[in-house]
Amino acid sequence: DADVTQTPRNRITKTGKRIMLECSQTKGHDRMYWYRQDPGLGLRLIYYSFDVKDINKGEISDGYSVSRQAQAKFSLSLESAIPNQTALYFCAISRGNEQFFGPGTRLTVL
Amino acid sequence: GNSVTQMEGPVTLSEEAFLTINCTYTATGYPSLFWYVQYPGEGLQLLLKATKADDKGSNKGFEATYRKETTSFHLEKGSVQVSDSAVYFCALIWGGYNKLIFGAGTRLAVHP
Repeated sequence: DADVTQTPRNRITKTGKRIMLECSQTKGHDRMYWYRQDPGLGLRLIYYSFDVKDINKGEISDGYSVSRQAQAKFSLSLESAIPNQTALYFCAISRGNEQFFGPGTRLTVL
Repeated sequence: GNSVTQMEGPVTLSEEAFLTINCTYTATGYPSLFWYVQYPGEGLQLLLKATKADDKGSNKGFEATYRKETTSFHLEKGSVQVSDSAVYFCALIWGGYNKLIFGAGTRLAVHP
């Protein structure tokens, strides 16, 4: 079984819709992260959480929100999706200074 | 601020050729340095890392040496295979929050 799972794997939605991307882990690590990947830009950090009560903004948090429902679950929401949020989204967990990534969610906003 | 710059791709090589992907960084203090690989349709996997100057990370025939004097962490492999075709990301972690800062990625295509 994968250490980090993401659902859905693919999603197409329309401008203005609310979207939630979910991330779950089986390793019991405290630290979880959300990144987005855009061609030519690498990955950029959206939000990160060090435990259920600790949520921090990353480099590009505008237009996004997160919820850490439990140690194992970290959800990313787009309250009102816009086309420039079309991207590949990755969740990650960390152990020490190493991060382990989920398979990604490809989101298209029309 | 901290940043990572890596050579633009795509890099196209024949099987068994020598690979170098350049990576330089800007950071205050002493970051840890990483190479991640992304195979088609998959998430990122840690390929190798180095945590202090002159450390050499290695894995699956790939190597990179942490050069503080040139602020570089170039990825090398002596003989690439078709299965090495992927996107390679150089990254650094600085400070206590383990936030990764990525380069833009370099796509490698290896042909038989």
